[in-house]
Amino acid sequence: NAGVMQNPRHLVRRRGQEARLRCSPMKGHSHVYWYRQLPEEGLKFMVYLQKENIIDESGMPKERFSAEFPKEGPSILRIQQVVRGDSAAYFCASSPTTENYGYTFGSGTRLTVV
Amino acid sequence: TQLLEQSPQFLSIQEGENLTVYCNSSSVFSSLQWYRQEPGEGPVLLVTVVTGGEVKKLKRLTFQFGDARKDSSLHITAAQPGDTGLYLCAGASRNSNSGYALNFGKGTSLLVTP
Repeated sequence: NAGVMQNPRHLVRRRGQEARLRCSPMKGHSHVYWYRQLPEEGLKFMVYLQKENIIDESGMPKERFSAEFPKEGPSILRIQQVVRGDSAAYFCASSPTTENYGYTFGSGTRLTVV
Repeated sequence: TQLLEQSPQFLSIQEGENLTVYCNSSSVFSSLQWYRQEPGEGPVLLVTVVTGGEVKKLKRLTFQFGDARKDSSLHITAAQPGDTGLYLCAGASRNSNSGYALNFGKGTSLLVTP
């Protein structure tokens, strides 16, 4: 019974390149959340998705960032034209319902922009 | 965004000591969750408290939700080195977009030395 799977675990990109982060939720979970964690700043909500729908993207920067959760396959967080300030740990979490009784988090993707 | 303040920010104690960490907000939450995060990993859910005044115990950990559902505490009895980690509280509140939004505090970093 695999948990939330994120890959890659570590990603290095040069400034201006694209970063694609993947997240497969737990089996039976149809709600996916992306969070970003910076040192000293805590976890910040980015986007909440259900299959084929973006429910809440209020925490995601309007430019360069996008997210999807297609009918088949993992959820993807895409960052275009990365800048140094995008360096962070990006965590995906999933839950089975809209009732908020706790998330299951993946191990994260650590993005380093050089 | 509803802010959660966690205190203390850092705590270093010896094995066998007791400790309490706090999570405070001026906002009311429908539920509050505690997570523990170890370096290089994602947060792991410890407990969810829902009812004002609720107390939950998980082995040596005791969680309390304030009567007004604005604050919470985590008490650890006879701490062990395995308790070392970052303890995060997260408050859930309903919003019109997405059901629930989960806001995290910055965490209490606990170090338990043998």
